[in-house]
Amino acid sequence: QVQLQQWGAGLLKASETLSLTCAVYGGSFSGYSWSWIRQPPGKGLEWIGEINHGGITNYNPSLKSRVSISVDTSKNQFSLILRSVAAADTAVYYCARAFSSFDYWGQGTLVTISS
Amino acid sequence: DIQMTQSPSSLSASVGDRVTITCRASQGIRNDLGWYQQKPGKAPKRLIYAASSLQSGVTSRFSGSGSGTEFTLTISTLQPEDFATYYCLQHNSYPYTFGQGTKLEIK
Repeated sequence: QVQLQQWGAGLLKASETLSLTCAVYGGSFSGYSWSWIRQPPGKGLEWIGEINHGGITNYNPSLKSRVSISVDTSKNQFSLILRSVAAADTAVYYCARAFSSFDYWGQGTLVTISS
Repeated sequence: DIQMTQSPSSLSASVGDRVTITCRASQGIRNDLGWYQQKPGKAPKRLIYAASSLQSGVTSRFSGSGSGTEFTLTISTLQPEDFATYYCLQHNSYPYTFGQGTKLEIK
């Protein structure tokens, strides 16, 4: 049974850096790509980016200048960094495994940006 | 970016009804499409992958079809637990993009 468990700070001030980590339990870590997705309150889903076990990344161009995704294969974890956050970055952030679309998701972390 | 146009944006239906939700891609995406169900406060749950393959453990009331630019999700006989928001996702080209969602409500 694959489980994704995520954590990170839930309240930030504008201009600070958002940092979230997702740990993968069960199943294989290598051989898959791992993504971050976000959802502003009451709105739809936006793909942020992904990383594979080899560290190759792909980012959404809308966020590319502020985003970094990294992986720690020794811990079966991957992380999201989003710099210079603003109120528009307030959202529930999800981690997910990519296997012909996203099959397993983390529980979500609400990140609120205050001004 | 590939735009995913999902319709309708909201739908009112009764238990026992058959409903269909459509996603149109702005360019061909083969069958690189998934369908998701999301309930309030929960992570999305995958129902269909590769446009028409039923996710393990998901009831066969759900079915998907389509290829290229036009896709449908059908719920054959609505049950109370099916009232939720549904999203399509294309994973053919970066950036991956979701439809805007269909909120299915009880009539």
